[in-house]
Amino acid sequence: NAGVTQTPKFQVLKTGQSMTLQCAQDMNHNSMYWYRQDPGMGLRLIYYSASEGTTDKGEVPNGYNVSRLNKREFSLRLESAAPSQTSVYFCASSERVFQPQHFGDGTRLSIL
Amino acid sequence: AQTVTQSQPEMSVQEAETVTLSCTYDTSESDYYLFWYKQPPSRQMILVIRQEAYKQQNATENRFSVNFQKAAKSFSLKISDSQLGDAAMYFCAYFGRSRGRGNKLVFGAGTILRVKS
Repeated sequence: NAGVTQTPKFQVLKTGQSMTLQCAQDMNHNSMYWYRQDPGMGLRLIYYSASEGTTDKGEVPNGYNVSRLNKREFSLRLESAAPSQTSVYFCASSERVFQPQHFGDGTRLSIL
Repeated sequence: AQTVTQSQPEMSVQEAETVTLSCTYDTSESDYYLFWYKQPPSRQMILVIRQEAYKQQNATENRFSVNFQKAAKSFSLKISDSQLGDAAMYFCAYFGRSRGRGNKLVFGAGTILRVKS
């Protein structure tokens, strides 16, 4: 049982490049989330999808877009990467919006 | 807006001893969930324990227990018989049950726990 799978695990981009982070879960969960984690700070929610076909902004959505491709997959896109987006990105899922979340292993993204 | 505060950036404990990590939160909601997550150096986020606000009984999971003080908006985590594998960053998190838009899991800044052998 893989749980939540994120790809890639590491990526280096140049300022202005675009990039899509992929996330897939095999637990038949309805809700999925994207977070970023910066040094000295807790996780901050970027976007979430309460159920297939819906997406909502979280705390720090600027500079990102998301797509809930189907029930399993929830991607995060950086259209024009900026150094301020250097961070570790986590995808998570939960059975419903109020349930405990299961996290992927994270993607370390560096933007030069 | 809800906030979660972890006032201890770093804590140390001797192996086999007990340590308590503090967490306070601010909310106007009456029904919510509280969680403790563990993040070891591998970076994976692992759910340690959760507490429903409507339950008066403190949650317990093996060596992990919480002291939930709803009136004081306090949610501390006690780790008994500490083990080397407990060394990690611990995050306290809040999730409100109101079904309006913008429901989200709010995290504290984290507490680094070091375990000494």
